[in-house]
Amino acid sequence: EAQVTQNPRYLITVTGKKLTVTCSQNMNHEYMSWYRQDPGLGLRQIYYSMNVEVTDKGDVPEGYKVSRKEKRNFPLILESPSPNQTSLYFCASSFYGGAGEQYFGPGTRLTVT
Amino acid sequence: KQEVTQIPAALSVPEGENLVLNCSFTDSAIYNLQWFRQDPGKGLTSLLLIQSSQREQTSGRLNASLDKSSGRSTLYIAASQPGDSATYLCAVIPKGHGQNFVFGPGTRLSVLP
Repeated sequence: EAQVTQNPRYLITVTGKKLTVTCSQNMNHEYMSWYRQDPGLGLRQIYYSMNVEVTDKGDVPEGYKVSRKEKRNFPLILESPSPNQTSLYFCASSFYGGAGEQYFGPGTRLTVT
Repeated sequence: KQEVTQIPAALSVPEGENLVLNCSFTDSAIYNLQWFRQDPGKGLTSLLLIQSSQREQTSGRLNASLDKSSGRSTLYIAASQPGDSATYLCAVIPKGHGQNFVFGPGTRLSVLP
């Protein structure tokens, strides 16, 4: 089944404790991206990647890191999480960047205390 | 900076009605516009993708139009069903900004049996 998977689905952590949210797709998509969704602010893009070893900033990249060492994986790294990074995070992928149909993962709900 | 708005924020209709959801964007220089559906607690599902050179796209009971010059798109849902209840979001990729999506805040639709 074609899908985008994210792990973990739910995470509660403390300020400053490094964490990684994994994202994997099995559709051989070149484009992958990360979003956060907050009430009243909607979906905002954090980072995106056009292909392996190619990443670029979205609208809200501060406090996040990404890497794209393999085509199928695009992990989101929070080196020193803070409470304002409490949010619902989505990973997405597509064949042709923004020109293609976007496939979204189920989401990761992160709480930083 | 590109901004996307959606009206109305919420809409409740009886089953069987035809309805229109609106999306506006401030800068007409876009690569494409996409409509998504989001069910509570879940990720987004792509509904329709309209390239900047196109005027409309249809899929089943859904029809989306694009008027770049006026910065508007509409999503028409025919013969609504309770299963259509969800939040509908539109998103654009502005030209000159890589592949960075900008999302609207969404319209929460309830179709009453």
